[in-house]
Amino acid sequence: DVKVTQSSRYLVKRTGEKVFLECVQDMDHENMFWYRQDPGLGLRLIYFSYDVKMKEKGDIPEGYSVSREKKERFSLILESASTNQTSMYLCASRIGGPQNNEQFFGPGTRLTVL
Amino acid sequence: AQKITQTQPGMFVQEKEAVTLDCTYDTSDPSYGLFWYKQPSSGEMIFLIYQGSYDQQNATEGRYSLNFQKARKSANLVISASQLGDSAMYFCAMNTDTGRRALTFGSGTRLQVQP
Repeated sequence: DVKVTQSSRYLVKRTGEKVFLECVQDMDHENMFWYRQDPGLGLRLIYFSYDVKMKEKGDIPEGYSVSREKKERFSLILESASTNQTSMYLCASRIGGPQNNEQFFGPGTRLTVL
Repeated sequence: AQKITQTQPGMFVQEKEAVTLDCTYDTSDPSYGLFWYKQPSSGEMIFLIYQGSYDQQNATEGRYSLNFQKARKSANLVISASQLGDSAMYFCAMNTDTGRRALTFGSGTRLQVQP
């Protein structure tokens, strides 16, 4: 079974702190994604990565950066956390190739910024 | 750019009845995929069913079927014989063959199954 793990289920940080959200997948997937989920808005794409050291901006990249130094790990970084970044963050991975390959999601990290 | 619209924020259904969750989409790409995911209160996203734009038949997976009407750009999820465990958020999503492989999601429908 594909497993996508995220470093924390719940996280509380203060405004201005640098925050790292870690995601690890164990199925050698090429593609990895970070989404943000807010009520009434569904999931929105922050950043994605097609392969190691490759990254592309999604729909809402402002205030975020990412790092993918190893194939299995995709990190989301909030350089200076703000209260409007309080949200549920979901990581996903998929094997590369045709668009019909499903994405596998991690359990999510609920981040609160005070 | 692609867009997914789910117009039902919440739905109620009686146990053992069938329910249809609506999804319409918009894309100019002729090759695309449509997905449905279930998110229980625990938060994990569970893949349910997939439909490709060139698939001739509607997709089915157990009690789930996808009513794909290409001309109307709709991809409704039908759940037959609802169970209490079906209570969850349901998201419709799509990606395209020429675009990025990330999914574009709708806003979701919260389904509550009543005994």
